[in-house]
Amino acid sequence: AQKVTQAQTEISVVEKEDVTLDCVYETRDTTYYLFWYKQPPSGELVFLIRRNSFDEQNEISGRYSWNFQKSTSSFNFTITASQVVDSAVYFCALKDTGRRALTFGSGTRLQVQP
Amino acid sequence: SAVISQKPSRDICQRGTSLTIQCQVDSQVTMMFWYRQQPGQSLTLIATANQGSEATYESGFVIDKFPISRPNLTFSTLTVSNMSPEDSSIYLCSVGENTGELFFGEGSRLTVL
Repeated sequence: AQKVTQAQTEISVVEKEDVTLDCVYETRDTTYYLFWYKQPPSGELVFLIRRNSFDEQNEISGRYSWNFQKSTSSFNFTITASQVVDSAVYFCALKDTGRRALTFGSGTRLQVQP
Repeated sequence: SAVISQKPSRDICQRGTSLTIQCQVDSQVTMMFWYRQQPGQSLTLIATANQGSEATYESGFVIDKFPISRPNLTFSTLTVSNMSPEDSSIYLCSVGENTGELFFGEGSRLTVL
């Protein structure tokens, strides 16, 4: 069975600080996909990134970066120089070959204070 | 990415009534799912909406409570039947392809009094 754990329920930082959101996953499959989504106060889910299990290269997109480590089953998300607009709930999700839908973690609420 | 429209965006309903939520996609999609997000919680999959056949429900969700239709590859409905306050949630339609990410509608926020 697949499982996604986001141990950090809520994080509060001051603007311009760096922040890392943790994600640990469990799956028996060797082929799987990992995702991050952002849910701002408006409620819409915004897709941020997809990573497949065969690609362990870290990825950077502007102030966002992702660190995928199969050895620790983790897919962590770092925001550099955080901004107030980054305040949202962030969900990590997993899709393996056993399911067509995504399994979501419980989410981490990020509050960036001005 | 597909553009997904959900109706209604929000509603306040009375206990014991039913409400149907519509999901319209601007292109044909293989997979369509319905998720529920209870207040302050994560997303829980209700069912996979199968085109031309009965939906596939997750454990804890039944067809009598959440009937789903999917008459074609661009449209689906979810009905929340005989509602109680515990059904107050955001209901989200999502679409995607086999290897890719899912995209979500803006959600339908239901409050049951």
